[in-house]
Amino acid sequence: GDSVTQMEGPVTLSEEAFLTINCTYTATGYPSLFWYVQYPGEGLQLLLKATKADDKGSNKGFEATYRKETTSFHLEKGSVQVSDSAVYFCALSDLLEGGSEKLVFGKGTKLTVNP
Amino acid sequence: EPEVTQTPSHQVTQMGQEVILRCVPISNHLYFYWYRQILGQKVEFLVSFYNNEISEKSEIFDDQFSVERPDGSNFTLKIRSTKLEDSAMYFCASTRPGGYVGQYFGPGTRLTVT
Repeated sequence: GDSVTQMEGPVTLSEEAFLTINCTYTATGYPSLFWYVQYPGEGLQLLLKATKADDKGSNKGFEATYRKETTSFHLEKGSVQVSDSAVYFCALSDLLEGGSEKLVFGKGTKLTVNP
Repeated sequence: EPEVTQTPSHQVTQMGQEVILRCVPISNHLYFYWYRQILGQKVEFLVSFYNNEISEKSEIFDDQFSVERPDGSNFTLKIRSTKLEDSAMYFCASTRPGGYVGQYFGPGTRLTVT
């Protein structure tokens, strides 16, 4: 079945450092790709998405490009802030019959940013 | 901004007891989902629900589980006879029509089965 593999954490960076969190996927269909973020004590929030090859999703300074040839969707940010400390989840989705979508998640990567 | 809400935030129950986890999806959304995350493991899909019926369920979602939309706003997950291995964080999510738009998640209910 479909699966998502993320780099193992935790990741600890200093403020203003460059962030990369690797994500690769395996899918039989042509999925959409997402990054979700979970701040302490909160639910999963959609951070960005890409629905086809070479699409770039971006939000709050984060970016990820849908690379079909390498089946990857790596998350990057040029300069992280303490407020970016959270758990980041890579996910793919396939449309189901009737229009609903099923998300398949990676294990999550915990990011801690120190001042 | 509208959000998905879940109650309770934490539920402790004894093995064999029934539990009902409640969710209020975003009001104009039509697709509803339950996921769970056992501590230290991946977030796993349980079930999707549309037009008052289950549209897809995973192998985890066996006869002990059921979902219901009893009125126009609530969406519930019932576990009939809880087992120790049902201890997890349960997330409700909803989405509007349009395909590949991403899902909006609630804050989760932590279920502890003792």
